[in-house]
Amino acid sequence: EPEVTQTPSHQVTQMGQEVILRCVPISNHLYFYWYRQILGQKVEFLVSFYNNEISEKSEIFDDQFSVERPDGSNFTLKIRSTKLEDSAMYFCASSERQGNSPLHFGNGTRLTVT
Amino acid sequence: GNSVTQMEGPVTLSEEAFLTINCTYTATGYPSLFWYVQYPGEGLQLLLKATKADDKGSNKGFEATYRKETTSFHLEKGSVQVSDSAVYFCALSDRAGANNLFFGTGTRLTVIP
Repeated sequence: EPEVTQTPSHQVTQMGQEVILRCVPISNHLYFYWYRQILGQKVEFLVSFYNNEISEKSEIFDDQFSVERPDGSNFTLKIRSTKLEDSAMYFCASSERQGNSPLHFGNGTRLTVT
Repeated sequence: GNSVTQMEGPVTLSEEAFLTINCTYTATGYPSLFWYVQYPGEGLQLLLKATKADDKGSNKGFEATYRKETTSFHLEKGSVQVSDSAVYFCALSDRAGANNLFFGTGTRLTVIP
């Protein structure tokens, strides 16, 4: 069964550094998402992406965050200048369409900012 | 606003025990409700869903009924197996056609033989 893949599984970075989290969504899916979960807290929506542009974003997704689909297969989340509070598990997801179309999640990337 | 509150874990049960994981929600409008499961080392997977009041979602022996009067969507299974050990997330989407999900914190279930 096709799956969403995320790399790396664990990323350690120093405060102030830029990180790029990578995702390969399922190939025939059109909608892409990033969620995150800070340890012990809820899984939170960050952003959704369709047709090469952001379709919705949360308050968390401020100017330090950006997303990109640089080619036909990858979907990336960039954090420009990481802060300690960005440490979390970041989940990528994709869906075939909006509405009653289930989200397929990747295994997540654990980001640790030191 | 929209939020989901679910039972704090972790939950440890013996094989064949009855499982309930409580979930209540606050939403504007008429949300759709979901349970997602995350097995060790894997991503979140949709377990079941219900899109309107009194609907029952079911899958793999798990059930949850959308109760508008109590704003709840409790997850139940009559007889758990070791392979059910995972983290379970309750979630809602607040608009028809939206995939912006609001999740709970997750409840870790461990089933021991």
